[in-house]
Amino acid sequence: AQKVTQAQTEISVVEKEDVTLDCVYETRDTTYYLFWYKQPPSGELVFLIRRNSFDEQNEISGRYSWNFQKSTSSFNFTITASQVVDSAVYFCALSEVGDDKIIFGKGTRLHILP
Amino acid sequence: DAGVIQSPRHEVTEMGQEVTLRCKPISGHNSLFWYRQTMMRGLELLIYFNNNVPIDDSGMPEDRFSAKMPNASFSTLKIQPSEPRDSAVYFCASKPTGRLQETQYFGPGTRLLVL
Repeated sequence: AQKVTQAQTEISVVEKEDVTLDCVYETRDTTYYLFWYKQPPSGELVFLIRRNSFDEQNEISGRYSWNFQKSTSSFNFTITASQVVDSAVYFCALSEVGDDKIIFGKGTRLHILP
Repeated sequence: DAGVIQSPRHEVTEMGQEVTLRCKPISGHNSLFWYRQTMMRGLELLIYFNNNVPIDDSGMPEDRFSAKMPNASFSTLKIQPSEPRDSAVYFCASKPTGRLQETQYFGPGTRLLVL
């Protein structure tokens, strides 16, 4: 069975601090995809990144970086030098080969305090 | 390119009334998904279609909920009769069928309040 766990329900940090959002997943497949989505206060769900299970290279996009480790079944997301605009709920998600569904974690609500 | 379009954006209705939510997927996307988001249960997949055919409706809460996709560019989610516990944000998403590396793209959601 597939499962995504985001143990941090809510995090608050002061602006300019770095923050890491944890994501742990479970799957029996060897080929799968992992995702991160952002849901700002306006409510829409914004796609951030997709990673396939064969690519364990870390990825950096501006202030955002992702650390994928198959050995620990984790796909963590770090925001460097956080800004107030980063305040949102962040969802980690998983999809398996042969299944069009994406399974979402419960989300982590991130507050960036000015 | 237009994204996924949902209407209405907000709906307030009274218990017992029929509610119809609408979705237009991104052109060329053959898979369409309906989700419900609540504080208690998070983001739940209700049903999804491939090429207009329902594939998995195991997430549909009960018989009061029904979904249709009469053509590739339109889908509806209907609740009849509505109940206060149906109050939630309903999202529609689409993606190309079979291309697993492609992500789902979400519409802006419909915020439903049943009084």
